[in-house]
Amino acid sequence: DQQVKQNSPSLSVQEGRISILNCDYTNSMFDYFLWYKKYPAEGPTFLISISSIKDKNEDGRFTVFLNKSAKHLSLHIVPSQPGDSAVYFCAAYAPSGTYKYIFGTGTRLKVLA
Amino acid sequence: EPEVTQTPSHQVTQMGQEVILRCVPISNHLYFYWYRQILGQKVEFLVSFYNNEISEKSEIFDDQFSVERPDGSNFTLKIRSTKLEDSAMYFCASGDQSPRAFFGQGTRLTVV
Repeated sequence: DQQVKQNSPSLSVQEGRISILNCDYTNSMFDYFLWYKKYPAEGPTFLISISSIKDKNEDGRFTVFLNKSAKHLSLHIVPSQPGDSAVYFCAAYAPSGTYKYIFGTGTRLKVLA
Repeated sequence: EPEVTQTPSHQVTQMGQEVILRCVPISNHLYFYWYRQILGQKVEFLVSFYNNEISEKSEIFDDQFSVERPDGSNFTLKIRSTKLEDSAMYFCASGDQSPRAFFGQGTRLTVV
């Protein structure tokens, strides 16, 4: 039951270029989406989020885009830096009746210097 | 910045033994969660806890698992009789009214 999918297990990008990480979901009840960054042997760290009433949210180098009709969201990092190298998880939240986040499988981003 | 604290960072236990994983959530948070990540796999939801009771639990969270908030600060996950397949990183998380959870650094559980 993969309600949240990240179809690219890995991505390599040159330093200074744009990184685009994608996420698809199937459950239309999700109304809040989050991106978490995770380093090995550490817990996920919150990066940025977006409510389903918006189609874009920006925070510094990070922008999340939401396309509700396509049930798709993406995280753009520009410019990418070597310190951005980590695993990025997309997560979806449906507060009505449940209190849980559904995580995608993650995308390992490697930013090459 | 306030953070979620988990202890121990690494726990090795023999199969069949009970383990208790401990978490100190962020102090004014009301929602608490346990997740786990088996090596190389995705982060999986185990259980959510609100208002001193379980809000939701996954299929993984069977009778061998239990959670408690024994006092105003700690939130624990107990596995009564560990199995080899329980080996994973266990993450505690807490949240407030906003849909944003803060995760601890995790406890690596190794069942031998």
